Amino acid sequence: NAGVTQTPKFRVLKTGQSMTLLCAQDMNHEYMYWYRQDPGMGLRLIHYSVGEGTTAKGEVPDGYNVSRLKKQNFLLGLESAAPSQTSVYFCASSYAADGAYNQPQHFGDGTRLSIL
Amino acid sequence: DAKTTQPPSMDCAEGRAANLPCNHSTISGNEYVYWYRQIHSQGPQYIIHGLKNNETNEMASLIITEDRKSSTWILPHATLRDTAVYYCIVRVAVDYGQNFVFGPGTRLSVLP
Repeated sequence: NAGVTQTPKFRVLKTGQSMTLLCAQDMNHEYMYWYRQDPGMGLRLIHYSVGEGTTAKGEVPDGYNVSRLKKQNFLLGLESAAPSQTSVYFCASSYAADGAYNQPQHFGDGTRLSIL
Repeated sequence: DAKTTQPPSMDCAEGRAANLPCNHSTISGNEYVYWYRQIHSQGPQYIIHGLKNNETNEMASLIITEDRKSSTWILPHATLRDTAVYYCIVRVAVDYGQNFVFGPGTRLSVLP
């Protein structure tokens, strides 16, 4: 059971390039999330999804797009990378039990992205 | 969501108990308390969560005060591998996903 898997683990981009980060979970979780973590700071929510085909904005959505075409995958896209997007990106997923939405989120090990 | 306050850092001797406090004085009745930890360069790891009763799992215990305005996470026998940043989060459980807000947390250093 791999849990939450993120690919790639590291990436260096030039300003203006585009790329997609992939998150895959094998726990059959309904909810999935993308966060970013900057040095010395906590995590900030970028986008999230409460089910296949649905997405919503989080705290810092500008400059990012997401898609959830399959329940197990959540993609984060950078259309035109900027140095301010240099960060560590974490994906998470959680289970949504009927009548109980207090289930914890489970995280991947992150993607370290540098924009030059 | 209610805001939490944690000390920025704490030290603990190896083998001794680590008691990490968290203040959440504005917590509302339907908000849960969650604890996560993040070991350097890894993703946050879920530890435990609770509503109003004390909770215990294989790792540690969560003690929530009767008025729910504060809680303490207790690791009974700290090891060097427990050195990490520990996050206390309060979150209401609603039906649109749980966008946890991670603050700076407490950096626990377990010393030999």
